[in-house]
Amino acid sequence: NAGVTQTPKFRVLKTGQSMTLLCAQDMNHEYMYWYRQDPGMGLRLIHYSVGEGTTAKGEVPDGYNVSRLKKQNFLLGLESAAPSQTSVYFCASTDSFNQPQHFGDGTRLSIL
Amino acid sequence: EDQVTQSPEALRLQEGESSSLNCSYTVSGLRGLFWYRQDPGKGPEFLFTLYSAGEEKEKERLKATLTKKESFLHITAPKPEDSATYLCAVHLNNAGNMLTFGGGTRLMVKP
Repeated sequence: NAGVTQTPKFRVLKTGQSMTLLCAQDMNHEYMYWYRQDPGMGLRLIHYSVGEGTTAKGEVPDGYNVSRLKKQNFLLGLESAAPSQTSVYFCASTDSFNQPQHFGDGTRLSIL
Repeated sequence: EDQVTQSPEALRLQEGESSSLNCSYTVSGLRGLFWYRQDPGKGPEFLFTLYSAGEEKEKERLKATLTKKESFLHITAPKPEDSATYLCAVHLNNAGNMLTFGGGTRLMVKP
C-alpha cells in the first residue's frame, strides 16, 4: 500500500526555471493538500483541493499554481522559481475534512 | 489571528525520564486538534485526534490531552526510538478544511 507518493524526491533549480511536483495517492481520498516546511516556520499550506477539478488557495499561494485533473493526482507548479521557494514540500490527503491527513515523504527543492 | 504555539522548541531527555510537550492555541471555533510525529527526512505521521476539552487518547508511551486553550503530549518512560519532532495542528471551524500547524518540538531521548 503506497499511500501518498511524491515525485521527485530531490531537485535543484536555477532562478527563473519552472518545474512541476507530482503527488499521487492510492486511497481514493477527496481532499489533497500542498504544504511547504521551512526551519522555524512549521508547515504552511500553499494550495488545496476538495475534489477532482477543484483547487483553492491556502496561506502562502503566491508563486505557485496547482491542478487536480484526476482524483488521485495533485500537481504543484512553480512557473518562475525564486530562491525564497527553497524548501521541503509535502503533499497530504484525507477522505474527510475532519479526519487525519496522510503525508508523503516530501520533495526537497533548492533554488540557486 | 489564529495561532498555534508549541513549547519547548527542543527537549532533551534521558531514557526513562517522563515529560510533557505543550501545544497552545488562540483560535476560535476549534473543530479538532491533531498530533503528528515526524522523523528526519520523512513526512509527518499521524498519532492522535482530539475533538473536545477533557478528551484523552493513549498509544504506547504517549498520551494526549486537550483543554480549551491547549493540548499536552505526555511521554512516559521514553526510549531513544521516541526521538523525533512532534507537531500539533488545529482544524478551525471555518471554510476551507485547512490545518494550522505549530512549529514543532524536537525531542531527543538519550540512552
